[in-house]
Amino acid sequence: AQKITQTQPGMFVQEKEAVTLDCTYDTSDQSYGLFWYKQPSSGEMIFLIYQGSYDEQNATEGRYSLNFQKARKSANLVISASQLGDSAMYFCAMRRSGGSNYKLTFGKGTLLTVNP
Amino acid sequence: SQTIHQWPATLVQPVGSPLSLECTVEGTSNPNLYWYRQAAGRGLQLLFYSVGIGQISSEVPQNLSASRPQDRQFILSSKKLLLSDSGFYLCAWSTTRAPLHFGNGTRLTVT
Repeated sequence: AQKITQTQPGMFVQEKEAVTLDCTYDTSDQSYGLFWYKQPSSGEMIFLIYQGSYDEQNATEGRYSLNFQKARKSANLVISASQLGDSAMYFCAMRRSGGSNYKLTFGKGTLLTVNP
Repeated sequence: SQTIHQWPATLVQPVGSPLSLECTVEGTSNPNLYWYRQAAGRGLQLLFYSVGIGQISSEVPQNLSASRPQDRQFILSSKKLLLSDSGFYLCAWSTTRAPLHFGNGTRLTVT
């Protein structure tokens, strides 16, 4: 079974500063994928970034980067130069590679508040 | 481009009433389809997924059922709602290694 743990229920950051949202995972699979989603107060789930377990480079997408430490089973999201619009819930998720169902297992999320 | 439609956006239903939430996907064929539920302030719990027409897998025993009558249509149903069925329901689709793409969700309140 797969498990995602997000230990920070809430985080605060000043506008224009960087913030790291923690995510640790547990799986017995050798090949898997890690995802981060953003959920604004409107409720929609927005895909941010993906990291494959065999990817040698940490994933980056604009201001988002994923600090992947495979040995520690962590996949922290780093948001650089925070903006007020970054205030939202952030979810870490994973799925095993291969197979046919592609289902995601989610953590409980971290509520990020960006202060002006 | 692919789009996913989910309706209604909000729903208030009395205990014991039936439920039908619908989700349709456009712009892709044979997608995997998913129903997730999010309780207030919690993460997403997978309820059902489908890899093809008529193929439904249930993740959690509960008062709900799902059906996939057409390739790009996914329906979540209940014959008699319980108070504990309240929550935010999200439909999603995916193909191969692509991330899940979510609809805008249905906020269900059972009174």
